[in-house]
Amino acid sequence: DIVMTQSPDSLAVSLGERATIHCRSSQGLFHSSHNKNYLAWYQQKPGQAPKLLIYWASTRESGVPERFSGAGSETYFSLTITSLEAEDVAVYYCQQYYSSPFTFGQGTKLEIK
Amino acid sequence: QITLKESGPLLVKPTQTLTLTCTFSGFSVTTSGVGVGWIRQPPGRALEWLALIYWNDFKQYSSSLETRLSISKDSSKNQVVLTMTNVDPADTAMYFCAYSAYYYDSNGYHSWFESWGPGTLVTVSS
Repeated sequence: DIVMTQSPDSLAVSLGERATIHCRSSQGLFHSSHNKNYLAWYQQKPGQAPKLLIYWASTRESGVPERFSGAGSETYFSLTITSLEAEDVAVYYCQQYYSSPFTFGQGTKLEIK
Repeated sequence: QITLKESGPLLVKPTQTLTLTCTFSGFSVTTSGVGVGWIRQPPGRALEWLALIYWNDFKQYSSSLETRLSISKDSSKNQVVLTMTNVDPADTAMYFCAYSAYYYDSNGYHSWFESWGPGTLVTVSS
């Protein structure tokens, strides 16, 4: 199974500042024949179901604010929120879909400093 | 608009079989390109993918739970059912079903989860 490891486990950022969450996979997630990285990001607010933010490592889901962006390739990925808003307080998860079983990271809790 | 909702028992005794139902609207589980999956989350812990069923009845399971899981669909009722045998207190979790977007290539199915149900909390205790 591919192991997904996120860092840090928790992060406190001031409103309006940049927040970056990292995700590392134990195997490469890039498929050269398709030129795609098989990675998604989700946001889970307290008491709610997860919400898809990004797929193919950098494609924003419809309706997701532009301040959310994904980057990276192969085994190293990041999710950046360029200007943190209060509503962004949540736990963020990465998920690989390169191979089954599809696995999630342990989550990163984002709070306001 | 796609919506999903999970239902099932709130409390299950150890060694029993857990049956969860996902009832959805806004799509058909027999339409090409559709998948429905189950993911769980123990209290205060991370997400864990369990199983997926696709429009063509292809199924995928978590490697660690494969021997205990079974997923099926009933297109006439717009439902997907997950059964888990021999439950243990460690199976106490919020169980989510989700609409899966996927990409199919020579290496098989590659799935992420576009829309989620609100979840149903299942407690395993005697």
